[in-house]
Amino acid sequence: DQQVKQNSPSLSVQEGRISILNCDYTNSMFDYFLWYKKYPAEGPTFLISISSIKDKNEDGRFTVFLNKSAKHLSLHIVPSQPGDSAVYFCAASARRGTYKYIFGTGTRLKVLA
Amino acid sequence: DTGVSQDPRHKITKRGQNVTFRCDPISEHNRLYWYRQTLGQGPEFLTYFQNEAQLEKSRLLSDRFSAERPKGSFSTLEIQRTEQGDSAMYLCASSLVAGNVNEQFFGPGTRLTVL
Repeated sequence: DQQVKQNSPSLSVQEGRISILNCDYTNSMFDYFLWYKKYPAEGPTFLISISSIKDKNEDGRFTVFLNKSAKHLSLHIVPSQPGDSAVYFCAASARRGTYKYIFGTGTRLKVLA
Repeated sequence: DTGVSQDPRHKITKRGQNVTFRCDPISEHNRLYWYRQTLGQGPEFLTYFQNEAQLEKSRLLSDRFSAERPKGSFSTLEIQRTEQGDSAMYLCASSLVAGNVNEQFFGPGTRLTVL
């Protein structure tokens, strides 16, 4: 039972354009969402997060949007840079008890120079 | 470097052997998590500690797996009688729960290959 889904395994975007990565979740108890970036042979690196009381959070080139009614979140990267090429994982958590993260399967982003 | 560290980075072992991994979290973090990641999947939660207490274990953690955090600082994950299905990247993360914030910081992982 995949509670967090990233349906696009890969995405290619031209440098300077917008990258949009999508994530869907099924558990309505989730109230905290995060995006992590992962390079090969490294652990995931925290990118940006959003609480369920918000619908948007921005940090520089990165913006996360949350649509609670659709149980959907997205990550926008503008402008995309070649260094953004990595695997992006969406994660969700219920902020009580363990605070454990449930991860999606990842989307491999390739930014073309 | 004050991030999360893991040792070893790579481990190759034969089926049936025991292996132990170590994780050193960020020093002031009170929570420590272990995850496992296999090819094409996201990290999957295995277990977590609040200080030295192990408070939850996933059903993925069979009886062959044991984790400890004896003094509330570093943690070890032991796998006994390894099987080929144990081959994966084992990730450790730590966090400091403060209010409603719980960002987990991940180590580089230990890649286990069971032959």
